[in-house]
Amino acid sequence: AQKVTQAQTEISVVEKEDVTLDCVYETRDTTYYLFWYKQPPSGELVFLIRRNSFDEQNEISGRYSWNFQKSTSSFNFTITASQVVDSAVYFCALSEAGRGAQKLVFGQGTRLTINP
Amino acid sequence: SQTIHQWPATLVQPVGSPLSLECTVEGTSNPNLYWYRQAAGRGLQLLFYSVGIGQISSEVPQNLSASRPQDRQFILSSKKLLLSDSGFYLCAWSFGRGGVETQYFGPGTRLLVL
Repeated sequence: AQKVTQAQTEISVVEKEDVTLDCVYETRDTTYYLFWYKQPPSGELVFLIRRNSFDEQNEISGRYSWNFQKSTSSFNFTITASQVVDSAVYFCALSEAGRGAQKLVFGQGTRLTINP
Repeated sequence: SQTIHQWPATLVQPVGSPLSLECTVEGTSNPNLYWYRQAAGRGLQLLFYSVGIGQISSEVPQNLSASRPQDRQFILSSKKLLLSDSGFYLCAWSFGRGGVETQYFGPGTRLLVL
């Protein structure tokens, strides 16, 4: 069965600090997809990134970067120079490849608080 | 561009009352549709998904049901609510064209059963 673990329940840092959110996954599939979503206080989940299992290149988007390592089954998310607007709950998710609807398995989320 | 709507935004219902939550998607056709529930302080659990009109798959046995009467409409229902049905309900869609798909979420409905 697929499983996603976000061991950090809550993280609190001061603005401008760098912060890394950990995500460890389990799957027996050789082809799969990993996602990160942001849930601000309003509640809506905002898609941040999708990565497939064949692409281990790290990705950078502005202050956000993602480190995918198949050897450790991890897909960690780093925010550089954090800002108060980054405060939210962040979810890592995993889906199998295939046709039709793809079921997302979510981690429990990490609540990130950026203090001014 | 595609947009997804959910209503109502907030709902307070007594135990034993019926429930109907609606989700609609604009700007796309034949989407895959999903219902998730997020209990307080917890992650998201997939409840139902649909790949087409009238086609519903249930992920967990529960007090809820889903229907898809139109291509871009997905309804979550219950005949009699339980206290444990309280939570944040999120609808999501994906393009439904096969291959890798990203799910995009609606604004959600907060349900409190008293």
